[in-house]
Amino acid sequence: AQSVTQLDSQVPVFEEAPVELRCNYSSSVSVYLFWYVQYPNQGLQLLLKYLSGSTLVKGINGFEAEFNKSQTSFHLRKPSVHISDTAEYFCAVSPRNFNKFYFGSGTKLNVKP
Amino acid sequence: EAEVAQSPRYKITEKSQAVAFWCDPISGHATLYWYRQILGQGPELLVQFQDESVVDDSQLPKDRFSAERLKGVDSTLKIQPAELGDSAMYLCASSLESTGATYEQYFGPGTRLTVT
Repeated sequence: AQSVTQLDSQVPVFEEAPVELRCNYSSSVSVYLFWYVQYPNQGLQLLLKYLSGSTLVKGINGFEAEFNKSQTSFHLRKPSVHISDTAEYFCAVSPRNFNKFYFGSGTKLNVKP
Repeated sequence: EAEVAQSPRYKITEKSQAVAFWCDPISGHATLYWYRQILGQGPELLVQFQDESVVDDSQLPKDRFSAERLKGVDSTLKIQPAELGDSAMYLCASSLESTGATYEQYFGPGTRLTVT
């Protein structure tokens, strides 16, 4: 069975400050890892994904994430946030060779001026 | 850029009424997903199609929910009768194939359902 835990339901941060959104997962099999962003009343947009290879993954809008197998984590980071990054962010896992996604409960990022 | 289309964007219905949502995936995408997203939670898979066949509907409340994808293209999700607890965002997503290197799902804008 798979589960995803996003430790922070809300993260307030000032504009131009760095931010880290935490994601831990549990799985009995190897998984692929994803981060999605959702703006109000919209669908989800893929930020980045880890399938294999380098554990540091770069995505759109200046975001990056690092896969840590020993800690079963996939934390999302951005060195300097903008007001436009205010949104909800979802971590997701998908068991390899089995195209089913399991989402975390989301983290609301609130960027303040 | 190709997108997943959903309609309606918003739907208000009374308890015990029937309601239907429509999804048109990106052209050529074989796999289609319906998710329910309750406010404050992540999306939860309701049903997954591979072409016109259901491959996973284990979380679909089959006493009131039904889904079809007759020609393997667009899809309809129906609720009858609607209950207050069905108020949620219903998201449709599609992907190119069921297995493969991309493993990327493309989401539509969703249908926000309010049951009164």
